[in-house]
Amino acid sequence: NAGVTQTPKFRILKIGQSMTLQCTQDMNHNYMYWYRQDPGMGLKLIYYSVGAGITDKGEVPNGYNVSRSTTEDFPLRLELAAPSQTSVYFCASALGGPQETQYFGPGTRLLVL
Amino acid sequence: GDSVTQMEGPVTLSEEAFLTINCTYTATGYPSLFWYVQYPGEGLQLLLKATKADDKGSNKGFEATYRKETTSFHLEKGSVQVSDSAVYFCALSDPGGNNRLAFGKGNQVVVIP
Repeated sequence: NAGVTQTPKFRILKIGQSMTLQCTQDMNHNYMYWYRQDPGMGLKLIYYSVGAGITDKGEVPNGYNVSRSTTEDFPLRLELAAPSQTSVYFCASALGGPQETQYFGPGTRLLVL
Repeated sequence: GDSVTQMEGPVTLSEEAFLTINCTYTATGYPSLFWYVQYPGEGLQLLLKATKADDKGSNKGFEATYRKETTSFHLEKGSVQVSDSAVYFCALSDPGGNNRLAFGKGNQVVVIP
């Protein structure tokens, strides 16, 4: 099993550009999450999904969108990149709810200039 | 809302020293408690967890006990190694809450040979 994979590993965007961060898991997990990690600030939840076709907002959803058309994939979309979105983005998956162990991908480092 | 507080600042210590990282929490229900570890350049991975009061989680020589009376889940290791250098995050999930983990800000641990 590859676990949780994320692409790209690193990306530089100009202000106003858009991009999609890809996340795929091969563990048949129902729950998937997107977090951002800012220096010294821990992780903040952006969006999560409890199954295919179901998504919901987390703590910091503004400026982002998600979709969950399959169990495996949970892409995160940035429509109009802003410097405040410079961060490291982690995707995670879990078999059940947040009491279950979450498995994290290696992260995508995004720089918006 | 649910929150986790970790002690301030990085922790630097010598190999074979005793490690303690403090974690206290605020929750309305009966949360599950976790310690996640992030090695350099990687995503987070579960270190240990406890799901009810007085439970002790343990893994790789690390231990933490769920103390409901002091709302704490302090992480300890009796003899650290250089390979334990990482960032450690305390987190909680409230089963009656909103499907998310609440993370602390993390503590950088540096072990010097």
